[in-house]
Parts: sequence; C-alpha cells; structure tokens
Amino acid sequence: GEDVEQSLFLSVREGDSSVINCTYTDSSSTYLYWYKQEPGAGLQLLTYIFSNMDMKQDQRLTVLLNKKDKHLSLRIADTQTGDSAIYFCAESNYQLIWGAGTKLIIKP
Amino acid sequence: DSGVTQTPKHLITATGQRVTLRCSPRSGDLSVYWYQQSLDQGLQFLIQYYNGEERAKGNILERFSAQQFPDLHSELNLSSLELGDSALYFCASSAEGSAGGGVAGELFFGEGSRLTVL
Repeated sequence: GEDVEQSLFLSVREGDSSVINCTYTDSSSTYLYWYKQEPGAGLQLLTYIFSNMDMKQDQRLTVLLNKKDKHLSLRIADTQTGDSAIYFCAESNYQLIWGAGTKLIIKP
Repeated sequence: DSGVTQTPKHLITATGQRVTLRCSPRSGDLSVYWYQQSLDQGLQFLIQYYNGEERAKGNILERFSAQQFPDLHSELNLSSLELGDSALYFCASSAEGSAGGGVAGELFFGEGSRLTVL
C-alpha cells in the first residue's frame, strides 16, 4: 500500500539551514504537503507543492520535489528556536497518507 | 486558532471505561476527520465524515465509533478502553469531501484531546 517515510529526528544549530526529507510511494499523488506541529498544539499546514512542480519557495521555506525518486524535502533557512516542532510530510491522491513526523531540535 | 474546537482537552479514565470526545469543525466545513497520535505510532487516520455520512475509514478499532450530527459537530466514542488507547486524539475539518480533492486539501486541526487510560 501507499507509504510515506521520514526520519524521526533532526538536530541543527540555530542559524543553520534545516533539511527535512521524505519519501513516498504513490506516484499518482496530486499534492504533497508539509504540516507543522508545535508543542501542545494541533497540526497546521506549513506549505504544499503540486505534483507538476519541482520547487516552491516561500520566504525561509523551500520545498523540492523529485518525482522520479519520489522524494520530497523541506528546507528551512536560518533556523530559529521558533522552528522547533514536529514536521509531517503527507501525500494526497484521494486521501492523505502521513509520514511519522520529524522532530526538529534546535541547538543554541 | 484553527477554528476547530475539541473537548475535553484532557481526560483520565480507567481501563474498561467508555469516553466520548467532541469536535466542532470550522464554520462551514463539511468534512470531519479523526486521528490518533501516539508516541510509538505517529499519526493514525481513524475515520472521516462528510456532511453526516461516513466517507472513509482508516485504522479504527471496532471498540471505537464516531458520528457526525446535522449541525456538523462530531463525536468519537471509545469503549472498553485499554492502556494502549492512551493517546492524543485530533479532530480536523476541511471544506472539501476528500482531503486531496480541493485546491490545497488543507486540513484544519483542533488542539486535540489527550486521553490517559490508567
């Protein structure tokens, strides 16, 4: 069946770039999403990319999509302490298939 | 504030008991989704309702049931509770019938109901 995989943890220094990676299996996905879950809160859509795009940039966020390898990444430039959260990758064709989430840890 | 309201925020109960979690979706959203988030299993999709009808079913146990009422609020009933049911239960809503069917398929999540089974 469809599956989305992510690393469980990523640790970066404040001010560095964070790159969170995700692989998926459903090549017919229409959209791919990144959701952010801050401590004690629900998930919130951070950004998304349509399947016919290779890249999307929004301020400090860059999403790269490699459809051949079914690989999605989220780059956060100049990582700040407020970026500490769990980041979920999800793919969508009809229903959302979620990754397990990557916990981003910021070191001072 | 996502506009999705969940109650209660915290619930502690004993094994074998039954609880009901309540969700009010964003104003105008027709779809409600229930998710379970536990430490060892990440985010698990349980069930989706659209305008009162069950639309999709995920990894929902037979001990669990849900419904969506005419005013679009939804309830998740958990019965014969076991220790392993301790988790954060999220409700989410969206305007479209399927999460991937809209322009962005964005889900709006509540803050969750934390269930502890002792």
